[in-house]
Amino acid sequence: EAGVAQSPRYKIIEKRQSVAFWCNPISGHATLYWYQQILGQGPKLLIQFQNNGVVDDSQLPKDRFSAERLKGVDSTLKIQPAKLEDSAVYLCASSLGMGDTEAFFGQGTRLTVV
Amino acid sequence: GENVEQHPSTLSVQEGDSAVIKCTYSDSASNYFPWYKQELGKRPQLIIDIRSNVGEKKDQRIAVTLNKTAKHFSLHITETQPEDSAVYFCAPGDYGQNFVFGPGTRLSVLP
Repeated sequence: EAGVAQSPRYKIIEKRQSVAFWCNPISGHATLYWYQQILGQGPKLLIQFQNNGVVDDSQLPKDRFSAERLKGVDSTLKIQPAKLEDSAVYLCASSLGMGDTEAFFGQGTRLTVV
Repeated sequence: GENVEQHPSTLSVQEGDSAVIKCTYSDSASNYFPWYKQELGKRPQLIIDIRSNVGEKKDQRIAVTLNKTAKHFSLHITETQPEDSAVYFCAPGDYGQNFVFGPGTRLSVLP
């Protein structure tokens, strides 16, 4: 079974630039999560999709972050414009259920904003 | 929203000893209690989970115990090995709500 795929693995941008991350979840997984993990901290949920609908985006900084999951499969997360404090690993995860089944994580995208 | 804490934040044990990490949560609706292990530079991976209708679950050297009344659950690792060194996260969840990850516990197993 293929795992959660993310790209790119690494990205370095200057502040105020834009960046986009892509995620392909495990086939058949209806729930998709984007997490931000700052060095030394636990993953923080940014947005949760159930199929192509948003379940929770309460911690997504909507003035600069946006995400979509067209057709309920792949998802993209965008930051525009980036700030220094956005430097983190962005993890995508998927699961069969909403919050009561195992979440499978991708390798993550390490973003450095300089 | 859910408030999740872990204790201790760091833990060092001698190889072969046991390690225990405790997770406390605030939302009484939580009914799924997983533990994830994250090695340096790698993704979090589930190592064990338990549901609220079960008090304890064991898988070889790893066990999880749940006290739903007191709203805490614990990870137990016996006969620790160097490869157990990692950061461990609890992430209580429920159908209809997302996982909220704890701040993590860094376990170091000393040879």
